[in-house]
Amino acid sequence: AQSVTQLDSQVPVFEEAPVELRCNYSSSVSVYLFWYVQYPNQGLQLLLKYLSGSTLVKGINGFEAEFNKSQTSFHLRKPSVHISDTAEYFCAVIRFSGGYNKLIFGAGTRLAVHP
Amino acid sequence: DVKVTQSSRYLVKRTGEKVFLECVQDMDHENMFWYRQDPGLGLRLIYFSYDVKMKEKGDIPEGYSVSREKKERFSLILESASTNQTSMYLCASSGDRRSSYEQYFGPGTRLTVT
Repeated sequence: AQSVTQLDSQVPVFEEAPVELRCNYSSSVSVYLFWYVQYPNQGLQLLLKYLSGSTLVKGINGFEAEFNKSQTSFHLRKPSVHISDTAEYFCAVIRFSGGYNKLIFGAGTRLAVHP
Repeated sequence: DVKVTQSSRYLVKRTGEKVFLECVQDMDHENMFWYRQDPGLGLRLIYFSYDVKMKEKGDIPEGYSVSREKKERFSLILESASTNQTSMYLCASSGDRRSSYEQYFGPGTRLTVT
């Protein structure tokens, strides 16, 4: 069955530094991968998605992620973070089950950007 | 602009009460979902619906039920609230069964059961 592991529960970083949030997935079938962001006191917002095609995916707010099939990873990166990037980030994979598509989420990574 | 709204941002209920959480989407989406979010566990799917009056159990349906009488509205019901149901509840919607990849989320309801 598809599942997602986010390797870091918290990532502290200074403003303007680069950041990488790690995500590994397990799946025996076609993979559709997502990163969502949750700002404080808000719902989740889609950052980017990989369905097929180029393995480097660009999203909103300067984020990008690379799909690596051999390492079963989909790490999220940003070359220079801002205070406003402080949020919780969720990696997710589609699970195909009984004719339905369900999103399976990782436990989340809390990114804290410090001045 | 895409919009999913939830009836309450914060809710406090007593143990044993019946609780209704309402979700409305204005995108004419086929699919709607209810999740609960707990620290360290991410989001877990409670129930989902791919059509009016249709519902399917998610991964943690125990203690919950749902209702979808209209396409735009999906309600989560806690028949008899318990303290272990204290959580953040998130509603989401997506297009149709085949393209239900991108889900749009509401702002969440933080429920406290005392």
